[in-house]
Amino acid sequence: DQQVKQNSPSLSVQEGRISILNCDYTNSMFDYFLWYKKYPAEGPTFLISISSIKDKNEDGRFTVFLNKSAKHLSLHIVPSQPGDSAVYFCAASGSSRGDYKLSFGAGTTVTVRA
Amino acid sequence: NAGVMQNPRHLVRRRGQEARLRCSPVKGHSHVYWYRQLPEEGLKFMVYLQKENIIDESGMPKERFSAEFPKEGPSILRIQQVVRGDSAAYFCASSRGLAGDNEQFFGPGTRLTVL
Repeated sequence: DQQVKQNSPSLSVQEGRISILNCDYTNSMFDYFLWYKKYPAEGPTFLISISSIKDKNEDGRFTVFLNKSAKHLSLHIVPSQPGDSAVYFCAASGSSRGDYKLSFGAGTTVTVRA
Repeated sequence: NAGVMQNPRHLVRRRGQEARLRCSPVKGHSHVYWYRQLPEEGLKFMVYLQKENIIDESGMPKERFSAEFPKEGPSILRIQQVVRGDSAAYFCASSRGLAGDNEQFFGPGTRLTVL
């Protein structure tokens, strides 16, 4: 049962433009959401997170938006850089209820073209 | 480097052998998680441990898999009598385990190949 879904397996964007990655979830008990970036043969690297009490969180070039009513979140990367080419995973947990395990989406492969 | 350490990075086993994967969390983190990534898939939760206790093992296969996080030393994920379907990347993560702040830091993973 896939509780976190990333419906776009890949995204190609030109350097300097905005990358928008989308994620949907089905479990209404999720209250903490994270984005990770992963290069081949490495572990996931934390990018940014958002609690369900917020609808936006920004950190440098990365902004995460949360729409609880739609059970949808998105990650915006602007401007996109060649080093951003990687697989991006959306993850969710119900940590305020003691459920700390992360449920991951299948990932979106981002390619930034020069 | 004070990050999550995993060893070995690569492990090759023949069917029926045992695999032991080790994880040392970030210093000061008392919560450890194990995830598995099969080819072309996302990460799947296996088990969540605190020192000397298994908190949630709902993602762990009932047979052949076990995990521990002793008072002293690294966390160990043990797979007995490995089969080809166990071939995957196994990632360990650690966190402080605070409500509302579940940022988990991941290690580089152990890539298990079963021949």
